[in-house]
Amino acid sequence: GENVEQHPSTLSVQEGDSAVIKCTYSDSASNYFPWYKQELGKGPQLIIDIRSNVGEKKDQRIAVTLNKTAKHFSLHITETQPEDSAVYFCAAHSGGSARQLTFGSGTQLTVLP
Amino acid sequence: DSGVTQTPKHLITATGQRVTLRCSPRSGDLSVYWYQQSLDQGLQFLIQYYNGEERAKGNILERFSAQQFPDLHSELNLSSLELGDSALYFCASSVVGGGVNEQFFGPGTRLTVL
Repeated sequence: GENVEQHPSTLSVQEGDSAVIKCTYSDSASNYFPWYKQELGKGPQLIIDIRSNVGEKKDQRIAVTLNKTAKHFSLHITETQPEDSAVYFCAAHSGGSARQLTFGSGTQLTVLP
Repeated sequence: DSGVTQTPKHLITATGQRVTLRCSPRSGDLSVYWYQQSLDQGLQFLIQYYNGEERAKGNILERFSAQQFPDLHSELNLSSLELGDSALYFCASSVVGGGVNEQFFGPGTRLTVL
């Protein structure tokens, strides 16, 4: 089955700096890669996603890049703000019969004021 | 607010007991997914229902079962509870059942087994 690895597990940045979180996946059939933000006591919130026919997608301060050949994708947050502090999860969805999202282990992002 | 609702928010019970968690998907969504989130296992997919029928199965224990009703709400039943079943249980919903599509998560139910 699919295996998703996420790094780093914790990340601290100064307010205004950029943050990058990286994930790798194992199943070459995976074709959908969402990113979720989870704040304390809440459910995961979809913040951006990318499909396998696209190399990059941007939404304001958030961008995601996908390298299908290397089987890795990354989340980039620019001009970080204290409210960006949360746990971020990457995930991969296999296009085959698995039909499920496999999540990375999460990154605790702390933005220091 | 994702539009997905889950009840109860918290549940405390004893080993060996049975509990039922409830989920109402976003208006118009036909698929419901159940996930378990624990500290050591992260977010694990349990099971998916689409328009009342089971569509996909993940790492769901035999002691756990789920169903989706005609009004599209879903229930996850956990029986013969063990200490290790203590976790956050999330429900997510999406418009369709196949292919790739956005899943929107509810606020979760925190289950504590004593």
